Amino acid sequence: KAGVTQTPRYLIKTRGQQVTLSCSPISGHRSVSWYQQTPGQGLQFLFEYFSETQRNKGNFPGRFSGRQFSNSRSEMNVSTLELGDSALYLCASRQEHNSPLHFGNGTRLTVT
Amino acid sequence: AQSVTQLGSHVSVSEGALVLLRCNYSSSVPPYLFWYVQYPNQGLQLLLKYTSAATLVKGINGFEAEFKKSETSFHLTKPSAHMSDAAEYFCAVIPNSGYSTLTFGKGTMLLVSP
Repeated sequence: KAGVTQTPRYLIKTRGQQVTLSCSPISGHRSVSWYQQTPGQGLQFLFEYFSETQRNKGNFPGRFSGRQFSNSRSEMNVSTLELGDSALYLCASRQEHNSPLHFGNGTRLTVT
Repeated sequence: AQSVTQLGSHVSVSEGALVLLRCNYSSSVPPYLFWYVQYPNQGLQLLLKYTSAATLVKGINGFEAEFKKSETSFHLTKPSAHMSDAAEYFCAVIPNSGYSTLTFGKGTMLLVSP
C-alpha cells in the first residue's frame, strides 16, 4: 500500500500571501489530521477530518483552514502568511479513532 | 484531558550502550500509547504501540517499551544503540474510548556517539 503523500515537499512564500498544501491518505483511511511542527513548539495539532467533516480543531487562528474531499484527500490553506508560520506541516491518516497515525514526509514552508 | 511528558530533550549514549527514553502520561481514562521516530526532513514513523494487551511491547529496530500503570509510564528501551538510531523520538497518548486526537510529547533527541 502506498503511504501518505504530501505535496509539495518545499514551499517558499512571502508574508501576506496564501498557501495550499495537499495530502493523500493511505487507501482506505478516512481520517486525515494535520500538524504543525516547529523547533520551539514541537508538534501542534491543527485539525482532523473524517469523511469530509471536521472532527477536531486545535488552537490556531482562523487563517488556518482545511477541507477533505469525498476521496479522503485533504488540503489545508493558510491565508495572510506570517513569518511565524514557517514550519514543517505534517499530514497523517488513520483507519479508526484509536488506530496509530501514519505520517507523510511533510511540507516544509518557509515564509520570508 | 490527556498529556505526555518526555523527560530530557536530549539523550546521549555511546554506540552499543543501553538506550532509555522516558515517557510519563496522564489520562482521565485508560490510554493507548505510541512511540514514533523522526529522522531529519522526514515524517514520523511508528515504532510501537500499546493497546491494553501485553504490557511489554516490542517494536521495530529492536526497540521495546513497557506500560506501567502504577507509574503512569511508557519508557522506550533498546539494549544496544546503533549509530542509525540517532533521531528524534516522540511519545503519544490517546484515550481508548470516545473520540479524541493523539497528544504528543515534546520529543527527545537521541544522540549516538562512536
